[in-house]
Amino acid sequence: ETGVTQTPRHLVMGMTNKKSLKCEQHLGHNAMYWYKQSAKKPLELMFVYSLEERVENNSVPSRFSPECPNSSHLFLHLHTLQPEDSALYLCASSPSTGNHGYTFGSGTRLTVV
Amino acid sequence: QKEVEQNSGPLSVPEGAIASLNCTYSDRGSQSFFWYRQYSGKSPELIMSIYSNGDKEDGRFTAQLNKASQYVSLLIRDSQPSDSATYLCAVKEGSNYKLTFGKGTLLTVNP
Repeated sequence: ETGVTQTPRHLVMGMTNKKSLKCEQHLGHNAMYWYKQSAKKPLELMFVYSLEERVENNSVPSRFSPECPNSSHLFLHLHTLQPEDSALYLCASSPSTGNHGYTFGSGTRLTVV
Repeated sequence: QKEVEQNSGPLSVPEGAIASLNCTYSDRGSQSFFWYRQYSGKSPELIMSIYSNGDKEDGRFTAQLNKASQYVSLLIRDSQPSDSATYLCAVKEGSNYKLTFGKGTLLTVNP
């Protein structure tokens, strides 16, 4: 596989559930990102990992917990979410240096019921 | 606070016309500039990158950069209904990983 792969593509979860979103990149990048995009709203940066170290956490509620076990994989663990957390969750990757843009995965459409 | 500003639109153009999308940025240290296209419900897709002042052409797309005016634009010639999407401008400072996105401009191309 090439590019950035996110699973699952769609997820419906109850407010008491625990689930995880997975992102995998096969581009040799060493920076990875989680974004949230609610309906008709701009991208919101949630977390940044560079060289497997979290370098940015943009005031995200603790019910979202990221994990980056290696430079190719990124997870977002979810628990006790609220309906307002329903959104498209996007993973992206890039080299940590240089003048490159980000490559995005196809996203996970999350619905919290 | 580094900012990237775009008109939210919607920008509506007839099929076959030129669509002009504009973006301004606040950080004079910015060195890399990108345009992403995002169809409704899909993820952003990189369509153009530009690093030097002037124009860069790729098919029907032309990116224009003016660092003195802190302005970058995207022209889409012979616009097609399939070009209807939100276009995101993104700016990077130096060789840092950090990319700052604008809020996007919604383009509608009418048949």
